[in-house]
Amino acid sequence: KAGVTQTPRYLIKTRGQQVTLSCSPISGHRSVSWYQQTPGQGLQFLFEYFSETQRNKGNFPGRFSGRQFSNSRSEMNVSTLELGDSALYLCASSLDGISTDTQYFGPGTRLTVL
Amino acid sequence: AQSVTQLDSQVPVFEEAPVELRCNYSSSVSVYLFWYVQYPNQGLQLLLKYLSGSTLVKGINGFEAEFNKSQTSFHLRKPSVHISDTAEYFCAVSDNAGGTSYGKLTFGQGTILTVHP
Repeated sequence: KAGVTQTPRYLIKTRGQQVTLSCSPISGHRSVSWYQQTPGQGLQFLFEYFSETQRNKGNFPGRFSGRQFSNSRSEMNVSTLELGDSALYLCASSLDGISTDTQYFGPGTRLTVL
Repeated sequence: AQSVTQLDSQVPVFEEAPVELRCNYSSSVSVYLFWYVQYPNQGLQLLLKYLSGSTLVKGINGFEAEFNKSQTSFHLRKPSVHISDTAEYFCAVSDNAGGTSYGKLTFGQGTILTVHP
């Protein structure tokens, strides 16, 4: 099976712009989770989608949003970018998103905000 | 809410030496435990996980971990490391606290393992 893919791999944006990141899960996986990784805060959970519905979200401002399509592919959007949004954004897929599921991670999208 | 503490931010070792990376967690409910490895410019790869049963869990690449409920620990060990084990290692937990658990892993801050020749 193909792994989790994320596009693009690298992005450079300026403050105030918005950005959309894409994630294609492993075939058959219905849950997609998103994480932000920074040197200072580490890996932090953003949100999880299952069957096109957000079931869980972390403690991030409303500028961070996402969606999931009927084929389980997911996108996340960050509006009004701030310098602090520079990070590696990782998505992970699992069968059903339950606590015992293994999450499989993509290679990430490196976002730089100037 | 749960939290994960990785006690060492960096661990340098020589090739073929044993290594232990320490992880402690706290949670008000029962948890499931995971170790992931991240190589430079890559995503995270699962090394092993503990769900239930035997407290000694064996994973890929010769790694193993032991779940200790009384000490709320899940330390990762390898008896003999290789240069290729140089990477960052993350301990993570999930819990079964209902809706707030869906798709969520809580990670420690990571331990950078550097294997010297």
